[in-house]
Amino acid sequence: RKEVEQDPGPFNVPEGATVAFNCTYSNSASQSFFWYRQDCRKEPKLLMSVYSSGNEDGRFTAQLNRASQYISLLIRDSKLSDSATYLCVVNAHKLSFGAGTTVTVRA
Amino acid sequence: DAGVTQSPTHLIKTRGQQVTLRCSPKSGHDTVSWYQQALGQGPQFIFQYYEEEERQRGNFPDRFSGHQFPNYSSELNVNALLLGDSALYLCASSLKRSSGDYEQYFGPGTRLTVT
Repeated sequence: RKEVEQDPGPFNVPEGATVAFNCTYSNSASQSFFWYRQDCRKEPKLLMSVYSSGNEDGRFTAQLNRASQYISLLIRDSKLSDSATYLCVVNAHKLSFGAGTTVTVRA
Repeated sequence: DAGVTQSPTHLIKTRGQQVTLRCSPKSGHDTVSWYQQALGQGPQFIFQYYEEEERQRGNFPDRFSGHQFPNYSSELNVNALLLGDSALYLCASSLKRSSGDYEQYFGPGTRLTVT
C-alpha cells in the first residue's frame, strides 16, 4: 500500500464551482500534513498546512480526519488560476508526497 | 530574500555517466532535502542533510549520494546513470525545529535527461 494515495482526477469544474478531494495516508504515526500546489513543469509550492481542527485560508479549506486517516481540500468559488495539480503531503519523520490530484477550471 | 536556487536548470547525460546537481537553500534555512519527480508522479524523497550530515534517506541506491557545505548549500551526485534516472530533481529547504513540524520550500528543479 502506498504511503499517501490521492485520486488523480482530473476534476474539470466551471468557474465559480466548488471542488473537493481527499487524500488517504497509511502511517497512523504521521505528525503533520500539508497541501502543495504544482503547476505544469514547475516546482511544488506550499498551499497550506493542515491542522487538527481544520483550517481555512480564503477560498481554501483543509480538514484532517485522524481516525480515518485522510485529509481533504475544498476550493470554493473556483478561479481559472486554480487549475493545477494539488499534492497531498504527510510528515512521518520524512515527507511523503501523493501523486497529485489534477484540477482544471474552465471558463 | 532569495528563495531556493538550483543549478543547472536542464542537463542531458549519457548512460553510465555521473552528474552533480547543486542547491542553495532559502535564506535562514539550515536543512536541505532532495527529491526525484518522474513524469506524472509525486516527488520521491531521496535524502535530507542537516549540519553537513545525511540524516534521513529514502529508498534510493548508493549511486545517489550527497553533501552539505558549511554555508548550508548542498550537492546531489548520481553515479552510473541509468535511463530511469531521467526526472526532475527538486531541492527543498527548511528550518529544523525540535517539534519536527516543518514546512519545506522548493527550488525550480533540475530536469535531467539520460540518453
